[in-house]
Amino acid sequence: AQSVTQPDIHITVSEGASLELRCNYSYGATPYLFWYVQSPGQGLQLLLKYFSGDTLVQGIKGFEAEFKRSQSSFNLRKPSVHWSDAAEYFCAVGKAAGNKLTFGGGTRVLVKP
Amino acid sequence: DTEVTQTPKHLVMGMTNKKSLKCEQHMGHRAMYWYKQKAKKPPELMFVYSYEKLSINESVPSRFSPECPNSSLLNLHLHALQPEDSALYLCASRLPGQGATNYGYTFGSGTRLTVV
Repeated sequence: AQSVTQPDIHITVSEGASLELRCNYSYGATPYLFWYVQSPGQGLQLLLKYFSGDTLVQGIKGFEAEFKRSQSSFNLRKPSVHWSDAAEYFCAVGKAAGNKLTFGGGTRVLVKP
Repeated sequence: DTEVTQTPKHLVMGMTNKKSLKCEQHMGHRAMYWYKQKAKKPPELMFVYSYEKLSINESVPSRFSPECPNSSLLNLHLHALQPEDSALYLCASRLPGQGATNYGYTFGSGTRLTVV
């Protein structure tokens, strides 16, 4: 069965500093990997996705993620965070030929002025 | 139109009430989903419809009854809910199929349900 682990429940970062959110997955074949962001009381917005090819993926809002098969990881990064980046971030994995999207537990990001 | 629209945004209902949540998309997506999200938790899959047919039911209690009347509309009928069913209910859609370019979920903003 596929699973996703986000080791960090909370991360606090100063505005302007860099951010890295960790995601580890467990899946037998090449997974489809996603990062979503959720502001309080809102739905999920797709930041980026990886299916194949270049392992460094660029997304919206200045985010990027790197797929490392050897480490079963898909970490999300941003060079300089803005106060508006404070939100909950979810990593998710989907099967190539399936309908289910499995989410990690989420990481809450707090941005200090 | 690149959105999934959910109505209402907020709903308060008693345990004996019957209510419905509505989800609509006009992107030509033929797979539609209901997710339930409790506070500070990730979304959990409830139901999947593929080409208007129920393809996945994640052992959801019968007090939740999904319906997909056409390819653009997904409903979730609620009856005799419990306070622990209070949550954010998210709808999502995507183009089904194995192609990577089709594999993108679009989520609605959700309905915040409170059962009293």
